[in-house]
Amino acid sequence: EVHLVESGGGVVRPGGSLRLSCAASGFTFDDYDMSWVRQAPGKGLEWVSGLNWSGSRTYYADSVKGRFTISRDNAKNSLHLQMNSLRAEDTAFYFCARNGELGMGPNFDYWGQGTLVTVSS
Amino acid sequence: QSVLTQPPSASETPGQRVTISCSGGSSNIGSNFVYWYQQLPGTAPKLLIYRNNQRPSGVPDRFSGSKSGTSASLAISGLRSEDEADYYCAAWDDSLSGPVFGGGTKLTVL
Repeated sequence: EVHLVESGGGVVRPGGSLRLSCAASGFTFDDYDMSWVRQAPGKGLEWVSGLNWSGSRTYYADSVKGRFTISRDNAKNSLHLQMNSLRAEDTAFYFCARNGELGMGPNFDYWGQGTLVTVSS
Repeated sequence: QSVLTQPPSASETPGQRVTISCSGGSSNIGSNFVYWYQQLPGTAPKLLIYRNNQRPSGVPDRFSGSKSGTSASLAISGLRSEDEADYYCAAWDDSLSGPVFGGGTKLTVL
């Protein structure tokens, strides 16, 4: 059974940094592209970043480009999101999601339970 | 403001059919597949429809998707109380080079 478990969320001050992780199990991790999707409390979904199976190609939403860095460790079946220069508008639940068939795209066939990031002074 | 436009709410009585619309443009829905997600309260989203009208294993055939031009729709027939959730459409956007979502539609089963 596919499992995605996020960790690393918490409260951080504006301008600060945080590193999210996602532990994957139940499937061959390096067969799949992966993404991060976020959801501000009470709001809709927003794709944040994604990368291909090897990590050689990365994609970012304009709202986080230059501040966030996505990476993966296929040996450890883990996905990461380094978030720098955090802003109040980055406050959200961050979901780790597997990109299913066709690779990178809005085809998120499995999701983690999410981890909450709160940016506040 | 979301790239894809959905009505913020919809409602219908049990047993009836409801349709949720999703409107986009030539760079997203007009040239790429549409996906639909269901998010029950307090849970992660779940893939409901992929490639415009395909259902993942385990999704009841009460759920169906369609696409025409730059618009798509999700239909739910035989409504049940457990269908009460937020529904989101999504598509790849060629101009933004990334996936985009609709703002979500909150479905109430009266």
